Amino acid sequence: EDQVTQSPEALRLQEGESSSLNCSYTVSGLRGLFWYRQDPGKGPEFLFTLYSAGEEKEKERLKATLTKKESFLHITAPKPEDSATYLCAVQASGGSYIPTFGRGTSLIVHP
Amino acid sequence: DGGITQSPKYLFRKEGQNVTLSCEQNLNHDAMYWYRQDPGQGLRLIYYSQIVNDFQKGDIAEGYSVSREKKESFPLTVTSAQKNPTAFYLCASSSRQGSTEAFFGQGTRLTVV
Repeated sequence: EDQVTQSPEALRLQEGESSSLNCSYTVSGLRGLFWYRQDPGKGPEFLFTLYSAGEEKEKERLKATLTKKESFLHITAPKPEDSATYLCAVQASGGSYIPTFGRGTSLIVHP
Repeated sequence: DGGITQSPKYLFRKEGQNVTLSCEQNLNHDAMYWYRQDPGQGLRLIYYSQIVNDFQKGDIAEGYSVSREKKESFPLTVTSAQKNPTAFYLCASSSRQGSTEAFFGQGTRLTVV
């Protein structure tokens, strides 16, 4: 059974204080790992797809990295508008393509 | 603009009543999904469909039903058999070729009154 564990559950940062969110996963064969951002009361917004260990993707202050067991979402010099819940999901290869989600990390960035 | 549209944004259900949540996509995606989101529980899969006229139960299908008569549409009915329906419902779709990340609608918040 595919499993995704995100840590920490909640993270409070001061504006400009860089940090990382973790996504540990167990999957029989990884087709893709996805990161999403979700604002309160809205649907998740797609950020990145990572396919293989060593791959990195960047968007503004966010950088996602992938190893064989986990992924990190690095947030550099965050701003209050980066406050949101960040979700990680994995998709197994050779199957139904259904993404399995973690419970998310709630990030609050204080000005 | 291509995307996924869920309606309504807010829905209120009386005890013993069935309600239907709408989900329409114009992304030409084959696969569509329904998730339920509760505080602290993450996204749990209710039903999914990979092609028209075919759908499969997810982890928490009891008390829910779906149909997939058109590629663009995947409505979810919350029946009176669902004892705790108050939640945030999310519809998503994805391609089965190339980039297969799921894209989400804006959600429907269902409340029992």
